[in-house]
Amino acid sequence: SAVISQKPSRDICQRGTSLTIQCQVDSQVTMMFWYRQQPGQSLTLIATANQGSEATYESGFVIDKFPISRPNLTFSTLTVSNMSPEDSSIYLCSVEAASLAAGETQYFGPGTRLLVL
Amino acid sequence: GENVEQHPSTLSVQEGDSAVIKCTYSDSASNYFPWYKQELGKGPQLIIDIRSNVGEKKDQRIAVTLNKTAKHFSLHITETQPEDSAVYFCAATDSWGKLQFGAGTQVVVTP
Repeated sequence: SAVISQKPSRDICQRGTSLTIQCQVDSQVTMMFWYRQQPGQSLTLIATANQGSEATYESGFVIDKFPISRPNLTFSTLTVSNMSPEDSSIYLCSVEAASLAAGETQYFGPGTRLLVL
Repeated sequence: GENVEQHPSTLSVQEGDSAVIKCTYSDSASNYFPWYKQELGKGPQLIIDIRSNVGEKKDQRIAVTLNKTAKHFSLHITETQPEDSAVYFCAATDSWGKLQFGAGTQVVVTP
């Protein structure tokens, strides 16, 4: 399995500001993803963070609102820009790790709980 | 695209009883079906998964069954304990290999 850490674990922000969330993995991984989980809801994929190239965004998510960096195989950042109260959610980093026994498996970080006032 | 439906949305069981959560999917190309447990204030934790070449998989008190013909898979928890209380999510890969999640099941185990 992969051990994933996220910073910050939670934050309260004012509308109109931006927050950058960091994700660190304890091993090199090919695939890294960012998800959003709105209160009481399921997980929605925001984008796939690609190392050395622009992230691939899902329908309904755009780079101007959620810029993503992936400078290497163990680290990624997600920025939530020009925040509004509707951005209040849990933001989750996820990685795909492979093992001979289990094949490719997706693991999640602890999440960043964001409240926008 | 892939559509994953999960039932029930809430499940209350007595400690020691079994819990069953069912999911259906729409994309016949789906070949990987993980289950995640999310406790309050934490990220989703992978608890068991199954691939399309297997019909059933068991890990201690947890088992998952897969019926590819009917496009449904289920999570079975036996001898439930209070620490099994959490939200459980099923997921299935879509044709791009990305996970599509069910809506989640809130499981409450009462002593």
